[in-house]
Amino acid sequence: GESVGLHLPTLSVQEGDNSIINCAYSNSASDYFIWYKQESGKGPQFIIDIRSNMDKRQGQRVTVLLNKTVKHLSLQIAATQPGDSAVYFCAEKGSQGSNYKLTFGKGTLLTVNP
Amino acid sequence: GAGVSQSPSNKVTEKGKDVELRCDPISGHTALYWYRQSLGQGLEFLIYFQGNSAPDKSGLPSDRFSAERTGGSVSTLTIQRTQQEDSAVYLCASSLGDRRQYFGPGTRLTVT
Repeated sequence: GESVGLHLPTLSVQEGDNSIINCAYSNSASDYFIWYKQESGKGPQFIIDIRSNMDKRQGQRVTVLLNKTVKHLSLQIAATQPGDSAVYFCAEKGSQGSNYKLTFGKGTLLTVNP
Repeated sequence: GAGVSQSPSNKVTEKGKDVELRCDPISGHTALYWYRQSLGQGLEFLIYFQGNSAPDKSGLPSDRFSAERTGGSVSTLTIQRTQQEDSAVYLCASSLGDRRQYFGPGTRLTVT
């Protein structure tokens, strides 16, 4: 199976609510994780990343949480806006061997209702 | 440039024809990556360049696929004798170092 996957394929939220997108990974050797946002017809856009020596990192309206014990990653979006509607991918990168390529999950479609 | 650029944005070709896809990475980025994204799927790694050399070509689906990078900058992905299953969006990314990768808008390839 794939080394990175998502719990929910779709998520629908109301504008202004907080969104949480989850991701599970299986490679305990992964040392770097990254979230991308992909709007229709566009390439993935970097949102936030985190190294395995951290468990939380905050950006503008976004927070990534990493739980290495259960190999779980989440992306929290505060005060979700219609412009946040997109597919969100998590990806991981190993610390050895293939430590350059990203392994992506299939993505979660986030729909923000006005 | 300001970001990764790719050309063409769309390519429709007949089965059996060869195609070339181009990627211009962010200036100064030493690493360049090609991925493929099929409809509704995640990204599949194809090949990675560090400078002009490709340490890992294991993601290329078949020997019909090849890529090169010249001058540590522009890269070309070539698909020979295209097949319908090659239809996908081909994405290029670049990075400075081995972490954050920045993606281009992709080339949508349709093989008829």
